[in-house]
Amino acid sequence: QSVLTQPPSASGTPGQTVTISCSGGRSNIESNTVIWFQQLPGQAPKLLIYSNNQRPSGVPDRFSGSKSGTSGFLAINGLQSEDEADYYCAAWDDRMNGFVIFGGGTKLTVL
Amino acid sequence: EVELVESGGGLVQPGRSLRLSCKASGFKFDDYAIHWVRQSPGKGLEWVAGVSWNSGEIRYVDSVKGRFTISRDNAKNSISLEMNSLRHADTALYFCARDMRGGLWGIFDFWGQGTLVTVSS
Repeated sequence: QSVLTQPPSASGTPGQTVTISCSGGRSNIESNTVIWFQQLPGQAPKLLIYSNNQRPSGVPDRFSGSKSGTSGFLAINGLQSEDEADYYCAAWDDRMNGFVIFGGGTKLTVL
Repeated sequence: EVELVESGGGLVQPGRSLRLSCKASGFKFDDYAIHWVRQSPGKGLEWVAGVSWNSGEIRYVDSVKGRFTISRDNAKNSISLEMNSLRHADTALYFCARDMRGGLWGIFDFWGQGTLVTVSS
């Protein structure tokens, strides 16, 4: 069971827009929805986006998600210093009776 | 307030067993699926296992099939992960995470703080 493919790093300056990609395949992203998590240093992950583009209550609307074919995307508008964190995508995979597959994670640096 | 508290981690020798527990509070436990997700030191997240609200659906990542068993006790609002034949590669911080739904969807909306398992001789 391999992982979804994310860029290992991304960066931006305050106020900029950053987009993180997540590449998968037919059995996961194409067939199911994309989920995004944010993990601040030393903390448990936090749900950021689910069902491709839905935000849980409390998540700022600066964070948005989208999906196209076998890829998902997380956009962060108006980048802030507190957005510096690791970001992980995930999706349900339909192979072998089903399992959850994560991306390798993207470390976002706010310059 | 939703809370998930893991326990049971520790140092264990390769080949031995360990049982992790996750105690839930602040929500109607038997309405939700629960999962275990692990993170090796300095590495990414890896889903380990999940159990649906009524234990009717249980799934494992390939690397733990036949060695780990997830179970839940709805009367006690708790989840367990029985880990046998432990390997060095199982060393990780193990998180308990609630699924947003009763079935296995992988939408982990609440997480515990984790319990550390170290497999070493």
